[in-house]
Amino acid sequence: GAGVSQSPSNKVTEKGKDVELRCDPISGHTALYWYRQSLGQGLEFLIYFQGNSAPDKSGLPSDRFSAERTGGSVSTLTIQRTQQEDSAVYLCASSWGLSGNTIYFGEGSWLTVV
Amino acid sequence: GESVGLHLPTLSVQEGDNSIINCAYSNSASDYFIWYKQESGKGPQFIIDIRSNMDKRQGQRVTVLLNKTVKHLSLQIAATQPGDSAVYFCAENRGNTPLVFGKGTRLSVIA
Repeated sequence: GAGVSQSPSNKVTEKGKDVELRCDPISGHTALYWYRQSLGQGLEFLIYFQGNSAPDKSGLPSDRFSAERTGGSVSTLTIQRTQQEDSAVYLCASSWGLSGNTIYFGEGSWLTVV
Repeated sequence: GESVGLHLPTLSVQEGDNSIINCAYSNSASDYFIWYKQESGKGPQFIIDIRSNMDKRQGQRVTVLLNKTVKHLSLQIAATQPGDSAVYFCAENRGNTPLVFGKGTRLSVIA
């Protein structure tokens, strides 16, 4: 597609439920990133995928968070047993490679845990 | 510790004036810097980037300046317009690591 596509754009879920957020990167981009942004805050790195290399999961806040990238394209971020503090915008981005390449963001998935 | 940050959290500018948004970084190994604009309810939008082998780069109404001596980055917006109102983030890339973002500066344009 023309840009990074994320779905759903908005999600309201009950505390304790699992959620899945999807990201479809720009075609051909080998690097894919997930960031989290709480209200009025900066971007917090969660995880990135680069080609066939093992993902860098160093930013995931707990073991309730996981992500996978199938076929080097679409990625899914899964949050298990959601908590209210998980409420945030989850932003996906992609780029040609990792170092020194422009990273393009999607519009984000707004998650509200009630 | 190493960080990317901003000097001013908010900036109010009269329409038509020039805006300058500043950013400091602490890692001299950083070799790539990007400025993003984020409007309310939207994802960050790429504005302009600069590599460490450059001091200045110009785009349409925007200029990024890099001072490696004092590890300082700035974004200049000429003839600021109401549509420039947004939060601006600087970010740095340190080799093969993901972008690290500053906390952002909110630019408010007064008509």
